[in-house]
Amino acid sequence: DTGVSQDPRHKITKRGQNVTFRCDPISEHNRLYWYRQTLGQGPEFLTYFQNEAQLEKSRLLSDRFSAERPKGSFSTLEIQRTEQGDSAMYLCATGLSTDTQYFGPGTRLTVL
Amino acid sequence: GENVEQHPSTLSVQEGDSAVIKCTYSDSASNYFPWYKQELGKGPQLIIDIRSNVGEKKDQRIAVTLNKTAKHFSLHITETQPEDSAVYFCAAIAGNMLTFGGGTRLMVKP
Repeated sequence: DTGVSQDPRHKITKRGQNVTFRCDPISEHNRLYWYRQTLGQGPEFLTYFQNEAQLEKSRLLSDRFSAERPKGSFSTLEIQRTEQGDSAMYLCATGLSTDTQYFGPGTRLTVL
Repeated sequence: GENVEQHPSTLSVQEGDSAVIKCTYSDSASNYFPWYKQELGKGPQLIIDIRSNVGEKKDQRIAVTLNKTAKHFSLHITETQPEDSAVYFCAAIAGNMLTFGGGTRLMVKP
């Protein structure tokens, strides 16, 4: 257990619904990252926060995706109008520096 | 952007044997190379990392080597045990984001 927690661990939703995931970082970590991992692949970067500022976003992050970190602590990732292609594991990682990143257990999303 | 290639995709070894996983990267600006172990249904767990100013690092049965000139790095696990069975990912960082390899499924047969 790295100390990074994610909620929920599993989410099943119907196509077209909105979903929101939460990540709670290790308390002193000011950097927070979201990644997406599909079956049999390595994680792919989605977005990065330093404190409350969203500093980088991947092209993978379509306009249906939005992430926030309002007070520089926990973060949320929302997917609007979910599609079957959104089914994946959504991973949160946190860190103190630009290097070391500690991952949470992930939220597995299934879109029916 | 960075591209990380990893091989083999699957590796089966007998308990007690050594396992080697190799990765190459494309961006010469990458300066940090972590390795993660991922068990089924869990998030990636950092097991060892190496920075670009170091050629080799060891932690008990695990070692990582880095060749910056050739842009490749490797994970070595000695005296493998059944609990080493998992998917292993290499990664490289240039800037803020990690770029991962495709993963190696390691199976250690008792």
